[in-house]
Amino acid sequence: AQKVTQAQTEISVVEKEDVTLDCVYETRDTTYYLFWYKQPPSGELVFLIRRNSFDEQNEISGRYSWNFQKSTSSFNFTITASQVVDSAVYFCALRPKETSGSRLTFGEGTQLTVNP
Amino acid sequence: GAGVSQSPRYKVAKRGQDVALRCDPISGHVSLFWYQQALGQGPEFLTYFQNEAQLDKSGLPSDRFFAERPEGSVSTLKIQRTQQEDSAVYLCASSIRRTRQETQYFGPGTRLLVL
Repeated sequence: AQKVTQAQTEISVVEKEDVTLDCVYETRDTTYYLFWYKQPPSGELVFLIRRNSFDEQNEISGRYSWNFQKSTSSFNFTITASQVVDSAVYFCALRPKETSGSRLTFGEGTQLTVNP
Repeated sequence: GAGVSQSPRYKVAKRGQDVALRCDPISGHVSLFWYQQALGQGPEFLTYFQNEAQLDKSGLPSDRFFAERPEGSVSTLKIQRTQQEDSAVYLCASSIRRTRQETQYFGPGTRLLVL
């Protein structure tokens, strides 16, 4: 079975602080894909990043960075110099290559609030 | 280009009513997915289409839920004899190809409230 755990239910920071959202996953597949999505109050899930299990390089995109560590089954997401517009629910998701069909398995999400 | 669209955005139904939720995927996207998102939870998989073929419906919670995509484009999720526990946001997603690494792009969802 696949499982994604986002232990942080809610995080509140002040603008310009750095914040890291944790994601831990479980899968028996050796090849899998990890995703982060942002869900603003409007409700639409916005794709942020996809990472393949065989590529452990970390990635940076502007103020966003992702730390993938296969040894600890973690795929953490850091926002540097947070802004009020970053306030949203963030979901980590897993899609194994071989099992569980084509579905995404999501974590419970982390509600991030960035205060001015 | 246009993203995934869903209609209606909001639906209020009386318990026992049938409802139909529509999804227009991104043009040319082969794969289409439906997810259910309860309040405060992550989305949960319902069903998956590849073109017009429904390849996985293992996530549908009961036989009151039915989905179709007859021409391989627009999809409809139908819920018969709605119950209060069906209240949730129903999200549709599409991806361009069949391979599992492909990214799923989501629509804005339909928020269903069953009274």
